[in-house]
Amino acid sequence: EDQVTQSPEALRLQEGESSSLNCSYTVSGLRGLFWYRQDPGKGPEFLFTLYSAGEEKEKERLKATLTKKESFLHITAPKPEDSATYLCAVQVGAGGTSYGKLTFGQGTILTVHP
Amino acid sequence: DSGVTQTPKHLITATGQRVTLRCSPRSGDLSVYWYQQSLDQGLQFLIQYYNGEERAKGNILERFSAQQFPDLHSELNLSSLELGDSALYFCASSVAGSASGTDTQYFGPGTRLTVL
Repeated sequence: EDQVTQSPEALRLQEGESSSLNCSYTVSGLRGLFWYRQDPGKGPEFLFTLYSAGEEKEKERLKATLTKKESFLHITAPKPEDSATYLCAVQVGAGGTSYGKLTFGQGTILTVHP
Repeated sequence: DSGVTQTPKHLITATGQRVTLRCSPRSGDLSVYWYQQSLDQGLQFLIQYYNGEERAKGNILERFSAQQFPDLHSELNLSSLELGDSALYFCASSVAGSASGTDTQYFGPGTRLTVL
């Protein structure tokens, strides 16, 4: 069974204090790993897609990286508006039966204090 | 704004009742996905439709059903509601959702269902 585990469950940072969120996965046939940001009561907002080990993507203060077993979301000099829950999800392909479904981790709740 | 719309935003109903949640995908997207988010289970995939046809099923209860119409909007029907069905229900859409490719899913704002 596909498994996605995110750590830590919650992370509290001071404004400007850089850190990383971890997403480890156990799947067969990874087609893509996705990062989303979710604000309370809102729908997940797409951030990044990573397809293969060694790939990196950046957007403003966020950088996502991928290895064969895990992905990291690095947050550089965070601001209070970066406070949200960050979700990691995997999309797998096994014999063409999985199609597009995403399997999500439980998320990391990030709080950035001014 | 992702371009995916969902109605209603909030729904309060009683146990045993039936409700319908509606989703309109982004313009040009052919695939629609339904997810349930509860505090203890996180985001769970329910069902996927592609161009009107069911493509994949996840942890969807028999009391739940969905369909995608010719104009590509989708409805999720929940019947014989129980207290445990209270959750956020999200719809997402993507261009294809094919077996071989990978495309991004964009989520709607969700419908918060409360069963009393």
